[in-house]
Amino acid sequence: GAVVSQHPSRVICKSGTSVKIECRSLDFQATTMFWYRQFPKQSLMLMATSNEGSKATYEQGVEKDKFLINHASLTLSTLTVTSAHPEDSSFYICSAHPSGVAGFAYEQYFGPGTRLTVT
Amino acid sequence: RKEVEQDPGPFNVPEGATVAFNCTYSNSASQSFFWYRQDCRKEPKLLMSVYSSGNEDGRFTAQLNRASQYISLLIRDSKLSDSATYLCVVTQTGANNLFFGTGTRLTVIP
Repeated sequence: GAVVSQHPSRVICKSGTSVKIECRSLDFQATTMFWYRQFPKQSLMLMATSNEGSKATYEQGVEKDKFLINHASLTLSTLTVTSAHPEDSSFYICSAHPSGVAGFAYEQYFGPGTRLTVT
Repeated sequence: RKEVEQDPGPFNVPEGATVAFNCTYSNSASQSFFWYRQDCRKEPKLLMSVYSSGNEDGRFTAQLNRASQYISLLIRDSKLSDSATYLCVVTQTGANNLFFGTGTRLTVIP
């Protein structure tokens, strides 16, 4: 089956630093990737939709200058949390949609997630 | 109002029991419906899609009631390995992403 990796799986950083999270589709190409965030005991909430070769689309309330998304190739999207603060501590999960497959919902593969802790 | 609402539980049931989870969604234009399973500190994984006619996959049965905007999941003969959080997920016409409920936590006890 399709595999999506995320790196790092866990990161602890100091307040004010920036953290980059990578999401890779290992055995398929993904024109579209999604970034979600999950706080403890809460839903996964979509942060942004990442499209290869174009700007990401951010959900309402998500600061695009704070959460920088780059989708420079068909197998890699990165999320950079800039000037991270303790309230950014969360579980960040990406999903990838295989290129050429109709219907986003049926074909989304999730990465294993990145747990970010900002101290 | 949340797009998808679920009873967070927890549901603690003995092995072999039958347990049912319900979920309601707010947008009548919701298009597709799913149950995902999420283990602690892991990514969600698709358990099954939900169709209006109802569908079954082994011990798992899913039902959709569009009129009431309600989805259910029934697990029969619970196993210890069924312990997880079950997420109700919907999509909407014109939107690419998945809308997740907060999940219902199930613990199957020996």
